[in-house]
Amino acid sequence: SYVLTQAPSVSVAPGQTAKITCGGNDIGTKGVHWYQQKSGQAPILVVYDDSDRPSGIPERFSGSISGNTATLTISMVEVGDEADYYCQVWDSSSGHVFGTGTKVSVL
Amino acid sequence: EVQLVESGGGLVKPGGSLRLSCVTSEFLFSDSTMNWVRQAPGKGLEWVASISSGSAYIFYGDSVKGRFTISRDNAKNSLYLDMNSLRADDTAIYYCASRGVVYQLDYWGHGTLVIVSS
Repeated sequence: SYVLTQAPSVSVAPGQTAKITCGGNDIGTKGVHWYQQKSGQAPILVVYDDSDRPSGIPERFSGSISGNTATLTISMVEVGDEADYYCQVWDSSSGHVFGTGTKVSVL
Repeated sequence: EVQLVESGGGLVKPGGSLRLSCVTSEFLFSDSTMNWVRQAPGKGLEWVASISSGSAYIFYGDSVKGRFTISRDNAKNSLYLDMNSLRADDTAIYYCASRGVVYQLDYWGHGTLVIVSS
């Protein structure tokens, strides 16, 4: 089955940049999507198709792909960005696959 | 505003059954592939099942295959998940979510909690 790997946690100071990575075999061929989940809430989509943003999502959230790694970048981090972040792809054998999740702490 | 509202969660004994429902409003439910995704307490997201707009294509995650059945009623804008032979490790919040054109899950409900315990 297809596996997406994320670092368990990232810490960042307000105003700085957070980078959350997601590794998977041939990930660049699949289309990567990113979700933000705040404590006690449902996930929301923040980036889709590697680098596009849904309406209403701030430009501070951006996505990119290099090799077998996708990256969600949050610029000028705010306290309100503290959340768990998950990457996701569709794999024809495994279905919708989610990454293991990264907890972003804003110090 | 797009809304998805799940219901039907609760406490059930191991080996028991439960039916979850998800009612949507305003967006084109009948044209959308719909999904169930679950999250065990303190754990990550796990995809459970998908059903295409006309119910022709149905897929399940390995952990629920043969025990869970996804279905939909487009006339009622409703999605269902019939869960049988429930186990303790099925305990989770269950979310319904719509799928976009590039396989993103673009809208999510608030979730309904299923607890499997004796």
